Amino acid sequence: ETGVTQTPRHLVMGMTNKKSLKCEQHLGHNAMYWYKQSAKKPLELMFVYNFKEQTENNSVPSRFSPECPNSSHLFLHLHTLQPEDSALYLCASSHWGFGEFFGPGTRLTVL
Amino acid sequence: QQQVKQSPQSLIVQKGGIPIINCAYENTAFDYFPWYQQFPGKGPALLIAIRPDVSEKKEGRFTISFNKSAKQFSLHIMDSQPGDSATYFCAAITNAGGTSYGKLTFGQGTILTVHP
Repeated sequence: ETGVTQTPRHLVMGMTNKKSLKCEQHLGHNAMYWYKQSAKKPLELMFVYNFKEQTENNSVPSRFSPECPNSSHLFLHLHTLQPEDSALYLCASSHWGFGEFFGPGTRLTVL
Repeated sequence: QQQVKQSPQSLIVQKGGIPIINCAYENTAFDYFPWYQQFPGKGPALLIAIRPDVSEKKEGRFTISFNKSAKQFSLHIMDSQPGDSATYFCAAITNAGGTSYGKLTFGQGTILTVHP
């Protein structure tokens, strides 16, 4: 499989659940990103990892916990989310900062 | 100063028309300007990008025009087709290639509809 893949594509969870989003890039890129895309809002950068080290945390609430075990894999662990966290969560990767390649996203609904 | 302002918010054209989407920025440290195309339910896809030392770049039916002095850039879609209907985002990056990772600043997006 090529490009950036994300699983699951859709997720419905209750406010007390714990779930994880997974992202994998097959492009040999050094940096990986999590974005949140809500309706009628610009894309919001959440986290950046460069060579598996976190370099950016854009004031994201602690109920979102990222993990990057290596340069090809990125996770977003979710716990005690709120309904306003419902959104499309996008993973991306880039090679030396020359534009980001996005995955298809995970559509998250928090009940 | 990190903002990228994009207009219009929405745009409707007939097939064959040439929609133009405009973006403006303030931060002169931006040195790479990509455009993204996003279809409903999909992630944004990198469409075309330009460096500020180039005034125009063409890839197929897509053209970026860049005005460094005005700090503005625009996307033109030649001979637009209904399949081009999507949301388009401009973006800007500082120090592309210099820090080993970039951080995109996105415009607000333009919803383009191309009628048959």
